[in-house]
Amino acid sequence: GAVVSQHPSWVICKSGTSVKIECRSLDFQATTMFWYRQFPKQSLMLMATSNEGSKATYEQGVEKDKFLINHASLTLSTLTVTSAHPEDSSFYICSARVPVETPDTQYFGPGTRLTVL
Amino acid sequence: AQTVTQSQPEMSVQEAETVTLSCTYDTSESDYYLFWYKQPPSRQMILVIRQEAYKQQNATENRFSVNFQKAAKSFSLKISDSQLGDAAMYFCAFGSGGGADGLTFGKGTHLIIQP
Repeated sequence: GAVVSQHPSWVICKSGTSVKIECRSLDFQATTMFWYRQFPKQSLMLMATSNEGSKATYEQGVEKDKFLINHASLTLSTLTVTSAHPEDSSFYICSARVPVETPDTQYFGPGTRLTVL
Repeated sequence: AQTVTQSQPEMSVQEAETVTLSCTYDTSESDYYLFWYKQPPSRQMILVIRQEAYKQQNATENRFSVNFQKAAKSFSLKISDSQLGDAAMYFCAFGSGGGADGLTFGKGTHLIIQP
């Protein structure tokens, strides 16, 4: 149980275009999902908290107009990187918490590698 | 705000031996959780072990156990009988808000297993 998927696993795009990344909870309903960013050989940094049916909460320094998050259903959250630039190239990872069993524990998706040319 | 510090960028251990990874944290929260996650080359984050701060008993999961010293704000991970499959990056993480908040991660420790 507690499986989280991400799509795509790898994407290359041109500078100035937008890219959408999907995060799905496959076998449970996730009222809260999280988006992290990981640069090469670095740790995970929380970008935003996504709550179903409400606006996302962004961490300080994360541009909400650049990283659009939508959590329209209990099993799907999306992260759209708008007008992507090479400095947005990174590994993006989502996670979800299982609200009933262990609400404090996050289960992670496999990540999406974004390369902006 | 909380901080998590992992002071060992890299550790090496012989197969079948025991290794301890260090983690310290700083917080003003009274209700929180601590985790160790493993990230192999595939980059999939895998939960190794979790500890509730209100529990004095140290968590154990098979070959993995923690030494949780709340007063010292220390949370080390011990891996017994190290196996080649244990080779990975290990991240210590802090969570609070009953799970409603995102996690704060340390910088990680790269664990090498020598055959």
